[in-house]
Amino acid sequence: ETGVTQTPRHLVMGMTNKKSLKCEQHLGHNAMYWYKQSAKKPLELMFVYNFKEQTENNSVPSRFSPECPNSSHLFLHLHTLQPEDSALYLCASSQERWEGQGQYFGAGTRLSVL
Amino acid sequence: AQKITQTQPGMFVQEKEAVTLDCTYDTSDPSYGLFWYKQPSSGEMIFLIYQGSYDQQNATEGRYSLNFQKARKSANLVISASQLGDSAMYFCAMREGGNQFYFGTGTSLTVIP
Repeated sequence: ETGVTQTPRHLVMGMTNKKSLKCEQHLGHNAMYWYKQSAKKPLELMFVYNFKEQTENNSVPSRFSPECPNSSHLFLHLHTLQPEDSALYLCASSQERWEGQGQYFGAGTRLSVL
Repeated sequence: AQKITQTQPGMFVQEKEAVTLDCTYDTSDPSYGLFWYKQPSSGEMIFLIYQGSYDQQNATEGRYSLNFQKARKSANLVISASQLGDSAMYFCAMREGGNQFYFGTGTSLTVIP
C-alpha cells in the first residue's frame, strides 16, 4: 500500500459536471495539500490543511472546493470547471514539523475538462 | 520575482557519469528549507533530499547530494553514477515558514546508455 493514494487516476468531465477527487494518506501525517500541475508551469499550491483546518488558500477559484474530514483524507470537489482547469492534480502530506522531511505525494489525478 | 528558478529545461548525461541540476532561490526569510523531488513519467513526485537554511554541511542521500551555496542562494542537485532509472523530471522546491511551498519549473533529465 503506497503512502498517499489518489483516486481516480484519470478523469474526463464536461464543464457542467460535478465530480470529486479523493486523497488518502497512510503515513500518520498532520498536513495535507492540493497542488495543480500544468504543462510548463511551476507546481501551484492550491490548498493546505493542518490538523483538518485549512491554513492556506492561494486565490483558488470557488469552482474548486476542498474538504478535509480528518487528517488522513482530503477531497477536492469540482463543479462548472473550465477547459484551462485541465491539469494533473497532486495531493501531498507531511508532518507539521517539516525540518528534514519533504512532502509525500500521490500519483495524481489527470483531469481533462471538455 | 520567481521564488525558485531552474534554468535547465533539459539535460542529458551518460550512464555512470555525474550530473548537476541547477537551482537558485529567492527569499528574505532567514529560516527556510530546500527540497529536491523526482517525477518519473508515472506522475508521482518522489522526495529526494532536504537542506535546511541553518545546516552547515551539504545534505547527502545515497547518490544524491545538494551543493548548498547560501550566499549565492543556490541549491544544486548532484547525482553521481547516473542510472537509466534516473531519467525523469526533477523539481527544486523551497518552504518558508508556515506551509507555503514554492516549486521550480523543473529539469528533464535523460540518461543515455
